[in-house]
Amino acid sequence: QKEVEQNSGPLSVPEGAIASLNCTYSDRGSQSFFWYRQYSGKSPELIMFIYSNGDKEDGRFTAQLNKASQYVSLLIRDSQPSDSATYLCAVYSSASKIIFGSGTRLSIRP
Amino acid sequence: NAGVTQTPKFQVLKTGQSMTLQCAQDMNHNSMYWYRQDPGMGLRLIYYSASEGTTDKGEVPNGYNVSRLNKREFSLRLESAAPSQTSVYFCASSENSGPGAETQYFGPGTRLLVL
Repeated sequence: QKEVEQNSGPLSVPEGAIASLNCTYSDRGSQSFFWYRQYSGKSPELIMFIYSNGDKEDGRFTAQLNKASQYVSLLIRDSQPSDSATYLCAVYSSASKIIFGSGTRLSIRP
Repeated sequence: NAGVTQTPKFQVLKTGQSMTLQCAQDMNHNSMYWYRQDPGMGLRLIYYSASEGTTDKGEVPNGYNVSRLNKREFSLRLESAAPSQTSVYFCASSENSGPGAETQYFGPGTRLLVL
């Protein structure tokens, strides 16, 4: 079992709809959780981080964390073509290391 | 501020050649990291330096060495390149490696092709 798992996609979502990206992790002692966006040929950039159970909103983005289910998700409202990218989930584990998932490729269709 | 810079941007090596990838950050961060990214594999940690003067192995350290030259600079050396080391290499830095300060900032990457 991978430590951080994501569906590789591609996930195709119509423009204006809600895109939902999911991530599960195996280390129950993980402390903090990150979503990075990576455009093709570019480096990852941080979108959001979340530490506590529940929802955290920032503009069109909402991160959701459920530690009991070891599940973290990212919702993107009013999806735009510019949101087309690969989204990387990262987890700060109990071993004090950040572990990245392999990413979900998101495509927003006009 | 330039953030995290990496040189070179692109490099072609022959099997057995050596090279050093350079990384520098101007954010006064304590922690620095080297990752490789291969298709379908996500980011895999090669080595990291939690603070100046310390380095530790990550998930895939074999075939690599690192030097934390000072607080700003963290280099990655391939002593004898192999085709399996063809990849995109990213350097990253964070304020610290502990909870609350572990957000990482990435450099633009180095594309390495080993023939």
